[in-house]
Amino acid sequence: DIQMTQSPSSLSASVGDRVTITCRASQTIRSNLNWYQVKAGKAPKLLIYAASNLQSGVPSRFSGSGSGTDFSLTISSLQPEDFATYYCQQTYSTPPVTFGGGTKVEI
Amino acid sequence: EVQLVESGGGLVQPGGSLRLSCEASGFTFSDHWMSWVRQAPGKGLEWVASIQQDGSEKYYVDSVKGRFTISRDNAKNSLYLQMNSLRAEDTAVYYCARDFKTVAGSRFDYWGQETLVTVSS
Repeated sequence: DIQMTQSPSSLSASVGDRVTITCRASQTIRSNLNWYQVKAGKAPKLLIYAASNLQSGVPSRFSGSGSGTDFSLTISSLQPEDFATYYCQQTYSTPPVTFGGGTKVEI
Repeated sequence: EVQLVESGGGLVQPGGSLRLSCEASGFTFSDHWMSWVRQAPGKGLEWVASIQQDGSEKYYVDSVKGRFTISRDNAKNSLYLQMNSLRAEDTAVYYCARDFKTVAGSRFDYWGQETLVTVSS
């Protein structure tokens, strides 16, 4: 199974900050990497698919990059509604689909 | 508008059974793979199971193989997860998700709100 390692596991930031979250795969996953935002009591939201493609309706302050084993999610200017937990997901070698451990973005 | 609405969660004793349902609307249900994902308290997301459009292919995470069964009824636009021999470690919120597959890869592009399963005596 492919292991996904996210870092950091949590971070504190302020509104307007630039935030970057990284995700590393235990073996190459080409560009089969997605990013999700999860808030308590709400449906998880797809932000980025295939490493760098912005899902329809997602604000352009979110961006993704990387290929192979190393990926990142960047929020260019953190907004109050962005405080949440973010997960990467690989769909290159399945089953199983695997998620990273999550990164909690806090004020 | 795509909607996925889960139901069927609740409190069950260890060893018991529960059947989750997910009713889909706003898209052609029979055109898509569907999946279940869960999140245990204080833990991250964990993929549980996936099913092909016509139900002929099904995949499970190792920890639920032999205990959980994913199924679907395309006539009812509904996805199910039959959970048997439940354990305390199955306690989680469960989400259904549309598994959108393309030649470029796969992504869970729509998710339901959640249904809570608590396994406790």
